[in-house]
Amino acid sequence: SAVISQKPSRDICQRGTSLTIQCQVDSQVTMMFWYRQQPGQSLTLIATANQGSEATYESGFVIDKFPISRPNLTFSTLTVSNMSPEDSSIYLCSVQGVTEAFFGQGTRLTVV
Amino acid sequence: GENVEQHPSTLSVQEGDSAVIKCTYSDSASNYFPWYKQELGKGPQLIIDIRSNVGEKKDQRIAVTLNKTAKHFSLHITETQPEDSAVYFCAATPNSGNTPLVFGKGTRLSVIA
Repeated sequence: SAVISQKPSRDICQRGTSLTIQCQVDSQVTMMFWYRQQPGQSLTLIATANQGSEATYESGFVIDKFPISRPNLTFSTLTVSNMSPEDSSIYLCSVQGVTEAFFGQGTRLTVV
Repeated sequence: GENVEQHPSTLSVQEGDSAVIKCTYSDSASNYFPWYKQELGKGPQLIIDIRSNVGEKKDQRIAVTLNKTAKHFSLHITETQPEDSAVYFCAATPNSGNTPLVFGKGTRLSVIA
């Protein structure tokens, strides 16, 4: 199993600012995934982060808006840049083992 | 790519009754189908999963069935309890290790005492 520590757990931010979310895993993993969960909605994949290479973004998400770092096999960050109220969501990081996927507790972001 | 449809979006049952949530998927290469429970303010928690070489799996009050031919899988909760109230998500992926999960839209289950 894997334990994922994600922080902050929640934040309220002013529009136009940026927030960096951190995700720490207790074991080395090749891939980490970042999801967004808008209010009352399902989880949508933002990007896949591999250590040593640029993240791969899904349609509708761009690096300038959601830059991702993956400096080693246990850590990743997602930045939500130039925030607007539409960015208010829960952001989750995830890793997948052989038998199941594990999620952090999520970061509940509110942009005012 | 994979597309997962989930129904119903909301479900209310009386305590003690059974609840069934159904999902369909589009990619015949998908071979791993987990179900997650998400309580308010928390991340999704795996409750049961099934792989394509198995037709049914049961864990106490929870069971999942898979029909590969029809590309659908279902979650069955028996003897529901108020603490089963949550949002449930199905997901699918062709490779549980390297390919991200594709989620259904979720089902909000309410168990009425």
